[in-house]
Amino acid sequence: ELKVEQNPLFLSMQEGKNYTIYCNYSTTSDRLYWYRQDPGKSLESLFVLLSNGAVKQEGRLMASLDTKARLSTLHITAAVHDLSATYFCAVALPSGTYKYIFGTGTRLKVLA
Amino acid sequence: GAVVSQHPSRVICKSGTSVKIECRSLDFQATTMFWYRQFPKQSLMLMATSNEGSKATYEQGVEKDKFLINHASLTLSTLTVTSAHPEDSSFYICRGAGANYGYTFGSGTRLTVV
Repeated sequence: ELKVEQNPLFLSMQEGKNYTIYCNYSTTSDRLYWYRQDPGKSLESLFVLLSNGAVKQEGRLMASLDTKARLSTLHITAAVHDLSATYFCAVALPSGTYKYIFGTGTRLKVLA
Repeated sequence: GAVVSQHPSRVICKSGTSVKIECRSLDFQATTMFWYRQFPKQSLMLMATSNEGSKATYEQGVEKDKFLINHASLTLSTLTVTSAHPEDSSFYICRGAGANYGYTFGSGTRLTVV
C-alpha cells in the first residue's frame, strides 16, 4: 500500500526566509505532483516531476524528486505573503491508472 | 489546456434531498474521472473512480448507493449525493484524466446540507 508522508504539517515563517517542505512515499512511483490550495478553492497544479533527479522551478518555488530515496522537496526561497496557502504532494500509483495518493498537506503562513 | 469545469461551485440543500454535481472536461477526453471529498483543514479523500461507459469503483467505506456516479461520455461525469444529510456537507472535487492528462482538478463544489 502506497503511503505518502508530508512534513511539516504547519509552517509559519517570516517573509524573506527560506524553507523546505518534504514529501516521503513508501513504494515505487514514476510521477509526483505538487499542488497549491488556497482557502475555499480547488487545487492548482504547481509541478509535475517525472524522473529521478528532476528539478523544476517557478518563481520562488523549486521542486525536486529523488526516486531512489522516495523523496520530493518543495523549496521556498525568500518567502512572500502571497505564498501563504496549503501545499500538497501527490504520488501516482505505479500501475498507470492515474490514481494518486495525497500527502497530508502543509499549511504555510508567511508573516509580514 | 486540460481544463475541467465543475458546477455548481456552491450549493445549499435541505436534509433528505439529492444534489447533482457535474464535471466536464473542456479540451480533452477524460476517460477517467476521480471524485474526492475534503473536510476542513484535511487532505483530499478519494471517494470513487469512474471510467467512461462503465460502473464506478468506490473506495472502501464510501456508500455507493448514497454517492451515485455516472460517466456516460468522455467529457461529462456526475456525482449525485442522494438523501443528503448534514454530515455529507463537504468540499467535493473532481479530477479528470485521459491520454497525457491527469492532473487537472475541477474548481470544487461546496455542499452545505441544512
